[in-house]
Amino acid sequence: EAGVVQSPRYKIIEKKQPVAFWCNPISGHNTLYWYRQNLGQGPELLIRYENEEAVDDSQLPKDRFSAERLKGVDSTLKIQPAELGDSAVYLCASSFRGTGPYEQYFGPGTRLTVT
Amino acid sequence: AQTVTQSQPEMSVQEAETVTLSCTYDTSENNYYLFWYKQPPSRQMILVIRQEAYKQQNATENRFSVNFQKAAKSFSLKISDSQLGDTAMYFCAFMKSNTGNQFYFGTGTSLTVIP
Repeated sequence: EAGVVQSPRYKIIEKKQPVAFWCNPISGHNTLYWYRQNLGQGPELLIRYENEEAVDDSQLPKDRFSAERLKGVDSTLKIQPAELGDSAVYLCASSFRGTGPYEQYFGPGTRLTVT
Repeated sequence: AQTVTQSQPEMSVQEAETVTLSCTYDTSENNYYLFWYKQPPSRQMILVIRQEAYKQQNATENRFSVNFQKAAKSFSLKISDSQLGDTAMYFCAFMKSNTGNQFYFGTGTSLTVIP
């Protein structure tokens, strides 16, 4: 079974430029998460989708970040314009919301460097 | 709000020895799940072990076991017979049972296994 796929793995951009990250969750997983992980820290949730609906985006900086999950499968996270402080690893995870056991499966992440 | 605390930023252990990583959490919930995730230098997080709060028996997975103390809100991970491949960041995570799978992560413990 294929795991969570993310692309690109690495991205270097100049500040004020736009950037987009793509995630393909595990087949059949209805819940998808985007996390931001700063160096030496644990992942922090940006947004969570149940199918195609964003059910928790309270931590998403909506002035510059946007996300979508069309048809409840793949998802894209966008930053426009990027700032120096956005440098981090962006992780995508998926899970199946059924009767448990609820663990999340993570992708390899996209390491973003903003110069 | 739920908080997860990992008080050991870095730890080291000799190969074949046993090490225990600590985790405490704060919640008013009675039903929840706890997880330990491992993040090797390649950065893909993988699940190590999970514990359901309603189960009194401590979870075990081969060389990995937990000491779950519900009253003390403590959830430590014991790694026996440490191997070089155990070198990684370890994250403790908490999930309420009725929140649609939202995780709260600790800040992580960097474990180095010394040959």
